[in-house]
Amino acid sequence: DTEVTQTPKHLVMGMTNKKSLKCEQHMGHRAMYWYKQKAKKPPELMFVYSYEKLSINESVPSRFSPECPNSSLLNLHLHALQPEDSALYLCASSPIRGTGGRNTEAFFGQGTRLTVV
Amino acid sequence: AQSVTQPDIHITVSEGASLELRCNYSYGATPYLFWYVQSPGQGLQLLLKYFSGDTLVQGIKGFEAEFKRSQSSFNLRKPSVHWSDAAEYFCAVGAAQYQGGKLIFGQGTELSVKP
Repeated sequence: DTEVTQTPKHLVMGMTNKKSLKCEQHMGHRAMYWYKQKAKKPPELMFVYSYEKLSINESVPSRFSPECPNSSLLNLHLHALQPEDSALYLCASSPIRGTGGRNTEAFFGQGTRLTVV
Repeated sequence: AQSVTQPDIHITVSEGASLELRCNYSYGATPYLFWYVQSPGQGLQLLLKYFSGDTLVQGIKGFEAEFKRSQSSFNLRKPSVHWSDAAEYFCAVGAAQYQGGKLIFGQGTELSVKP
């Protein structure tokens, strides 16, 4: 199984709503990532989790709150978003670099298309 | 600072013609380099990667790329393009403190294929 599964595929939410995005992988990867991709732009890294602990936060506003409850799951909790937060949110996972001395690559999910109204 | 430049925003080629997508990177050490493809509204699929060794890398779907350190380039090639290759292509470099998914992407090149 080399899949990263993201749910939901599409989400429309109001600016006062609270919602969550979910990401799941069963490849035994211990690094997981959230990326944000605006239309016609490249993905931009938001958060990195290593061994279920937040290791990188790329100065993301607090209205985005990540959570990694176990080694297979990654959530992104959303609250009080703005219309400019509308984007494709991509989750990825990879082995931790250096494991067994091998370099690694990331596997991406299909993304959640978020629209904030 | 690390960066990736894809000089061509949009390229159109005829089906059956050859393809080359350009990618230049800026990185002090030996870079980890990747090419990803993205169909509209979809996630990213890895085409190929370069970590070390042979500078000509073979990937999936008939793609290859050549790492040229002297030119700081990692151009993607395909000898004969198929209509299904129409998509957005991203070149990426593994960022500092690299883990498998900590990537810096270029702006992307949109490929259109004429029948």
